[in-house]
Amino acid sequence: AQSVTQLGSHVSVSEGALVLLRCNYSSSVPPYLFWYVQYPNQGLQLLLKYTSAATLVKGINGFEAEFKKSETSFHLTKPSAHMSDAAEYFCAVSDTGYDKVIFGPGTSLSVIP
Amino acid sequence: DGGITQSPKYLFRKEGQNVTLSCEQNLNHDAMYWYRQDPGQGLRLIYYSQIVNDFQKGDIAEGYSVSREKKESFPLTVTSAQKNPTAFYLCATRQGAGGYTFGSGTRLTVV
Repeated sequence: AQSVTQLGSHVSVSEGALVLLRCNYSSSVPPYLFWYVQYPNQGLQLLLKYTSAATLVKGINGFEAEFKKSETSFHLTKPSAHMSDAAEYFCAVSDTGYDKVIFGPGTSLSVIP
Repeated sequence: DGGITQSPKYLFRKEGQNVTLSCEQNLNHDAMYWYRQDPGQGLRLIYYSQIVNDFQKGDIAEGYSVSREKKESFPLTVTSAQKNPTAFYLCATRQGAGGYTFGSGTRLTVV
């Protein structure tokens, strides 16, 4: 069965510092992987997706993620945090892209001025 | 602009009352989903529909009902059988394998 774990329910970084949000998945087939961002009282917005093309995926707002099959990981990074990056981030997995998407529990990112 | 409209944004329900949450889309997407979000629990799937006039239960369907009479619309009814309905409800659509598009959500509170 598919599952997603996100290490750290809350992460704090200083403005200008590296952002690293961790995601590990389990899937019986090469998966489709996604990162979403959610601002308070809003829906989720797709940041980026991995669909078995390039292993390094670039997304919106300067974020990128690298698919590492050997580590079953899809960690999200951004070189320099901005105050506007403070939000909840969700990693998600789907076996085929057409079936149900399973979401991780989320990581809340705080950015300290 | 194409998108998903969820209404109302805030909804209050009395004990024993049924309420219906609206989800309308003009993206022409085939698949639609309802998720429930509780603090610290991520998103849990309630119901989903791949085509008109067909829908399937998700992981937490008890106490909820849906219909899909039109491609654009996928309303969710929270029935009195749902004992703990206070949550943030999110509607989403999907076309192809590109991930979901989400609405802005409805926050339901039992009073």
